[in-house]
Amino acid sequence: EVELVESGGGLVQPGGSLRLSCAASGFIFSSDWMTWVRQAPGKGLEWVAHIKPDGSGANYLDSVKGRFTISRDNAKNSLFLQMNSMRVEDSAVYYCAKEACYGSGSCFHSWGQGTLVTVSS
Amino acid sequence: ETVLTQSPATLSVSPGERVTLSCRASQSVSSYLAWYQQRPGQAPRLLISDASTRATGIPPRFSGSGSGTEFTLTISGLQSEDFGVYYCQQYKNWPPYTFGQGTKLEIK
Repeated sequence: EVELVESGGGLVQPGGSLRLSCAASGFIFSSDWMTWVRQAPGKGLEWVAHIKPDGSGANYLDSVKGRFTISRDNAKNSLFLQMNSMRVEDSAVYYCAKEACYGSGSCFHSWGQGTLVTVSS
Repeated sequence: ETVLTQSPATLSVSPGERVTLSCRASQSVSSYLAWYQQRPGQAPRLLISDASTRATGIPPRFSGSGSGTEFTLTISGLQSEDFGVYYCQQYKNWPPYTFGQGTKLEIK
């Protein structure tokens, strides 16, 4: 059974940094694209970034480009999101998800429980 | 960016009823559309992919249809565990992947 467990959320000041982690198990981690999706309090879902299975490429939401970096360690079945120059509008629950479908692109097959990030002074 | 518009925003229904949720795309997404359910306090759960294919373990009362720019999710015989927020997501035109704003299904 696929299991994804996020950690690393917390309170950070505007302009600060935070690193999120996602521990994966129950599937061949190195074979799948992985994604981060966020959800601001009381709001809808917003895709943030994803990374290729071998870590050789990634795509980002325009509003986080240059500030966030997604990475992975396939030896440790772990996904990361380094968030720098954080803004109040980055406050959200951040979910990691395993991609699937793999038609033109991907849907999100399995999700973690999320980790809450709050950006506030 | 492909914008997905869901309607209605909120739907109040009684258990046992049949409901239809709509998702409209600002440009064609072919059949590359997924539906998710999110119960309060929980992570989203994949229900439907490729517009009409149920994910593993999803009961047959959930069905999806549509292609191009118009899609529907139908739930037949609503059960208490079906209440929550439903999102559509397109994976044809990316990045970015985009979601609809959600339809909240409430108990009448």
